[in-house]
Amino acid sequence: EVHLVESGGGLVQPGGSLILSCAASGFSFSSYWMSWVRQAPGKGLEWLAIIKHDGSEKYYVDSVKGRFTVSRDNAKNSLYLQMDSLRGEDTAVYYCARGGQLAAGEWGQGTLVTVSS
Amino acid sequence: DVVLTQSPLSLPVTLGQPASISCRSSHSLVHSDGDTYLNWFQQRPGQSPRRLIYKVSSRDPGVPDRFSGSGSGTDFTLKISRVEAEDVGVYYCMQGTHWPTFGQGTKVEVK
Repeated sequence: EVHLVESGGGLVQPGGSLILSCAASGFSFSSYWMSWVRQAPGKGLEWLAIIKHDGSEKYYVDSVKGRFTVSRDNAKNSLYLQMDSLRGEDTAVYYCARGGQLAAGEWGQGTLVTVSS
Repeated sequence: DVVLTQSPLSLPVTLGQPASISCRSSHSLVHSDGDTYLNWFQQRPGQSPRRLIYKVSSRDPGVPDRFSGSGSGTDFTLKISRVEAEDVGVYYCMQGTHWPTFGQGTKVEVK
């Protein structure tokens, strides 16, 4: 069974940084593209970043380009999201998902990031 | 950006009755590979989104057959043949043909 567990969320001040992790199990992690998606409180969903199975290609939505960096460690079956220059509008639940834009069918339970002073 | 417009945004339903949600795209969702990457997600209260339908009409494993998807090009529909209590939640269409985007969501609640 596919299992994705996000961690690393919490309270951070505007302008601060945070690293989110996603631990994957139940499938061959190194064979899959992976994604990060977020949902602001009471709001809709926004696809943030996609990374190829070997990490050689990365894509971002404009709103986080230059501030967020997606990476992965296939030896540890883990996906990461480095978030810098955080703003209030980055407050959201962050989900990792198995797959890129064409096939992201399994999602984790999410981790909450709150950006506030 | 591809804009997905769902209607209605709120859908009060009677248990056992059918329900239908529309999703219209600002751009064609036919990919260069010939497939159409329009998906439907269900988000129950307090849970993460769960994909129900992928590529317009294919049901994910474990999804009841009362859920069905249809459509083509820019117009798509999710139908629930007989609504059950466990179907309450917010439903999102999502396209993966271009940079992924979601519709605003349709809240399904029992009358």
